Amino acid sequence: ETGVTQTPRHLVMGMTNKKSLKCEQHLGHNAMYWYKQSAKKPLELMFVYSLEERVENNSVPSRFSPECPNSSHLFLHLHTLQPEDSALYLCASSRDFGLAGTYNEQFFGPGTRLTVL
Amino acid sequence: KNQVEQSPQSLIILEGKNCTLQCNYTVSPFSNLRWYKQDTGRGPVSLTIMTFSENTKSNGRYTATLDADTKQSSLHITASQLSDSASYICVVLNAGNMLTFGGGTRLMVKP
Repeated sequence: ETGVTQTPRHLVMGMTNKKSLKCEQHLGHNAMYWYKQSAKKPLELMFVYSLEERVENNSVPSRFSPECPNSSHLFLHLHTLQPEDSALYLCASSRDFGLAGTYNEQFFGPGTRLTVL
Repeated sequence: KNQVEQSPQSLIILEGKNCTLQCNYTVSPFSNLRWYKQDTGRGPVSLTIMTFSENTKSNGRYTATLDADTKQSSLHITASQLSDSASYICVVLNAGNMLTFGGGTRLMVKP
């Protein structure tokens, strides 16, 4: 197991529900990431936080709202999602962001399998 | 446009056999290339990371090669085991710290 945990592991929600995904890293890293992984598609980067500040937002719809209260925790708040948002949502962390090199390797959590009905 | 193409999309081999997965990229300027293994329902786990100057890197039965001139990488799995069944993802980092992910190769090892 990596030092990145995600809860819940599975989530089923209706289009009018509000839910949150949680990610926690125990590696002392400064950067955290949210990815979306849909079937038969490459991983899509959604958000990047570095030292608790959002540094990247890849044109993600506003129904996805990230929150990073401290460097160890990252949330993804979900509101009025669509069925096409059903996917595996992966959280990752790395020592730093913005510095190239092998020490910038990302460590992934196990993911939350989200189904929107 | 930065792209990472992997082939084949899926592969079935018998236990004990070797196989090679391919990754072609057009990312520039290149910083490093990583291979990840992703078991079903789990997050990706890093296998190897290679920089421009590295041609080969091994991690147990996994050996990655990199040809920066042709912008190709391969991941060779020796003496496959049932636990090798997974998706293998090639990821390229450019000098601007942007990651580009390949679509992955889904490998199934059968007894």
